[in-house]
Amino acid sequence: QEKVQQSPESLIVPEGAMSSLNCTFSNSASQSIWWYQQHPGKGPEALISIFSNGNKKEGRLTVYLNRASLHVSLHIRDSQPSDSAVYLCAVRASGSFNKLTFGAGTRLAVCP
Amino acid sequence: GGIITQTPKFLIGQEGQKLTLKCQQNFNHDTMYWYRQDSGKGLRLIYYSITENDLQKGDLSEGYDASREKKSSFSLTVTSAQKNEMAVFLCASTDSISNERLFFGHGTKLSVL
Repeated sequence: QEKVQQSPESLIVPEGAMSSLNCTFSNSASQSIWWYQQHPGKGPEALISIFSNGNKKEGRLTVYLNRASLHVSLHIRDSQPSDSAVYLCAVRASGSFNKLTFGAGTRLAVCP
Repeated sequence: GGIITQTPKFLIGQEGQKLTLKCQQNFNHDTMYWYRQDSGKGLRLIYYSITENDLQKGDLSEGYDASREKKSSFSLTVTSAQKNEMAVFLCASTDSISNERLFFGHGTKLSVL
């Protein structure tokens, strides 16, 4: 069964700084990796996904995937107080149609 | 755009009680899911359904039943609530083409006295 670990558990950054979140997974054959953002009292919302080794950039978000080291990271440039939320890493394993395995999350606080 | 509506938002039950949570989506998505979210843990899949009247067990199905009588709705039943149990139950759906991106409701928060 796929295992997903996220670090750090919590992160505090000043407004305007770069936020860097990490995620490791257990199966190199994993297909897609997703990052979700969850504000208090709300459901998670998909932010960005990556399938191929390398990086992908969307607006202030950049995600890096290294399948050899089973590692994916999310970087938020110019972090804003509105980015304060829990960030969940989710991995779709090969052959697990319709099933995502989620990490426990990183709680990000951006201080003005 | 669409929306996923979960009812109720808050649910307080007694130990041993049977409790039902409801979910409606207007995306016209085929696949729907129920996840459980505990503090400090990742989301865990309870049940999912790829079409009307289909049910597939997830990793945490014991102690739960589910029902998908219509494409737009998916309900979850806690068959016997456990004392001091506290969790958030999240309903989600994906479209049939990509089956990738999950759209979530806001959740039902369960507390058992």
